[in-house]
Amino acid sequence: NAGVMQNPRHLVRRRGQEARLRCSPVKGHSHVYWYRQLPEEGLKFMVYLQKENIIDESGMPKERFSAEFPKEGPSILRIQQVVRGDSAAYFCASSPRSGADTQYFGPGTRLTVL
Amino acid sequence: GENVEQHPSTLSVQEGDSAVIKCTYSDSASNYFPWYKQELGKRPQLIIDIRSNVGEKKDQRIAVTLNKTAKHFSLHITETQPEDSAVYFCAAGRGGGADGLTFGKGTHLIIQP
Repeated sequence: NAGVMQNPRHLVRRRGQEARLRCSPVKGHSHVYWYRQLPEEGLKFMVYLQKENIIDESGMPKERFSAEFPKEGPSILRIQQVVRGDSAAYFCASSPRSGADTQYFGPGTRLTVL
Repeated sequence: GENVEQHPSTLSVQEGDSAVIKCTYSDSASNYFPWYKQELGKRPQLIIDIRSNVGEKKDQRIAVTLNKTAKHFSLHITETQPEDSAVYFCAAGRGGGADGLTFGKGTHLIIQP
C-alpha cells in the first residue's frame, strides 16, 4: 500500500554508529509492525506497537534495538552500535486494528553496515 | 511460537501452466493467512488472504485453500504469465496478543516463456 512511508530508503552506517529508521503508517492506522529481511530469506517479525505502547517485542533483540510509536510523529526503530550482522532490509507495516487484519507494507529501509 | 514451512523454495513453470505453493503452520490459534508477492528490491504486496472461517477463496487467476485440520494452506495461480515471476511468501497470524505475522521462507516462482 503506497500509504506506508519509510525513510530513509537506504542507510549506510559504520560499525558502532546508530541507525534510526522511520515509518509513517497509512493515515488512520494505529498499529505498526516492524520486520527484518535478510537477503534471500523471509521476513522476521520484530516488534508490534500501538500509539505510545509496545504490544509485543518478542522478535526484537534485547540489546541495542529499541522501538517507539509516539502520540505524534512516525514510529522509530533504533539500532545502537550497529554491527555487520544488522545489514538487512527493514520493513514496517501498518493495520487499522489488531486481530486478523491486513498489514500493508512500506517500501523498506535497506541498512548497510560497513 | 508459530512456525511456518513453505515449499518449494523454487518453482519453474511454463507460461500458461498452473503453479501451486504449499505452506504448513503449527499454531492452531492462527486464524489469518495472507500471501504476499515480492519483486526484487520492492515491498511485499498482499495478493490474497484467507481467514480460518473459510476453506477457499478465489480472485481471478489466484486462489487459496485452507485445511485447518491438517494446518496447511496453498496458493494456486492459473494461466501463469511472465509478470507472475517473483518471490511469494505465505504467512500466518492470530488476533489478540501477538499480532505479528510469521512468514515462510518464500518461493521463487519463475515463469518460462
